[in-house]
Amino acid sequence: AQSVTQLGSHVSVSEGALVLLRCNYSSSVPPYLFWYVQYPNQGLQLLLKYTTGATLVKGINGFEAEFKKSETSFHLTKPSAHMSDAAEYFCAVSDQGYGQNFVFGPGTRLSVLP
Amino acid sequence: DAEITQSPRHKITETGRQVTLACHQTWNHNNMFWYRQDLGHGLRLIHYSYGVQDTNKGEVSDGYSVSRSNTEDLPLTLESAASSQTSVYFCASSTSGSYNEQFFGPGTRLTVL
Repeated sequence: AQSVTQLGSHVSVSEGALVLLRCNYSSSVPPYLFWYVQYPNQGLQLLLKYTTGATLVKGINGFEAEFKKSETSFHLTKPSAHMSDAAEYFCAVSDQGYGQNFVFGPGTRLSVLP
Repeated sequence: DAEITQSPRHKITETGRQVTLACHQTWNHNNMFWYRQDLGHGLRLIHYSYGVQDTNKGEVSDGYSVSRSNTEDLPLTLESAASSQTSVYFCASSTSGSYNEQFFGPGTRLTVL
């Protein structure tokens, strides 16, 4: 069965510092990978996704993620954190062997300190 | 603009009552999903549908049911609400294909007393 792990349920960074949110997955076939962001009392919004092609994917709000097949990872980064980045971040995986459903990680809450 | 809406946004009910949460999308998506979100568990899939008249159980389907009579709507029914079903519920939709992102509604916060 597929699974997604996100190391660190809560990450704190200072404003202007690098943001690194980790995601590792288990999948027996090449997966499709997604990062979503959830602001308080809102639904989930897509940040970026990897399907095929270039392994470094750029998303909205200055975020990017790199698919590393050898490490089964899809870590999310942003060079310089902004106060508005404070939110919950979810990594999700789907693959053709699992139909069209997603498996979500447990989420990482990002706090940005002034 | 196309969107996905949920109603009500907040609901308080009593144990044993039947509750229905509405989900309506104007994306014309084939796929629709219901999740619940609980602290420490992320999002867990309750039911999903790949088209009209198609419904399937997800990871945590006990106590819930859905029906899909048209493309736009996938109502979620709690047959007899239990306190363990207090949660935030999200509806999502997507076009066919596992490489396509899901679009989420704003959520319904349900409290069962």
